Amino acid sequence: GESVGLHLPTLSVQEGDNSIINCAYSNSASDYFIWYKQESGKGPQFIIDIRSNMDKRQGQRVTVLLNKTVKHLSLQIAATQPGDSAVYFCAEKEYGNKLVFGAGTILRVKS
Amino acid sequence: GAVVSQHPSWVICKSGTSVKIECRSLDFQATTMFWYRQFPKQSLMLMATSNEGSKATYEQGVEKDKFLINHASLTLSTLTVTSAHPEDSSFYICSARDPRGDSYNEQFFGPGTRLTVL
Repeated sequence: GESVGLHLPTLSVQEGDNSIINCAYSNSASDYFIWYKQESGKGPQFIIDIRSNMDKRQGQRVTVLLNKTVKHLSLQIAATQPGDSAVYFCAEKEYGNKLVFGAGTILRVKS
Repeated sequence: GAVVSQHPSWVICKSGTSVKIECRSLDFQATTMFWYRQFPKQSLMLMATSNEGSKATYEQGVEKDKFLINHASLTLSTLTVTSAHPEDSSFYICSARDPRGDSYNEQFFGPGTRLTVL
């Protein structure tokens, strides 16, 4: 989705609970999506990706769901841990290998 | 795995001076690198695409004369912020495209450079 430059929304979860982070993207022609985790003062770290010919992909403790009908992407983190606290961004791959980042969500894990 | 480094990790400069940031791909050759800017509590915004041996392609609204990009080799791209002003203070992040393999995930990010202009 397009980054709109607003303050990031925050999701607070209790340690051990599941987290769901949502993202709306803008380009219906995008065929590849990525979720990144960014810790304070660091660059984005790849978490999981999904191609547009899939609607679900699972990794270790993470699942990405893609709904092309409503142009919506979600990241599910199972058994959230304090180390998962970070900012999470979705990104869509566009023409020329460019990535367009979504607005981001701050995840805070309470112990 | 593909590793990308940036130097310096942080820099403080006086208003009006120029600052150069380096982005290196350490274990692969990157024909394409990307430069992003990130303001506090905001998302990454693509500034320009840097192609080895040719001129960079700038995104709309990014001043090419202010943000000079040089991709002189397959492992190094530099971003020079010329005549920096306090509003240029930001976190600058590069990524490099590793064309090897058949994965769609080709972009690997550097750790970022924090620029503070006084």
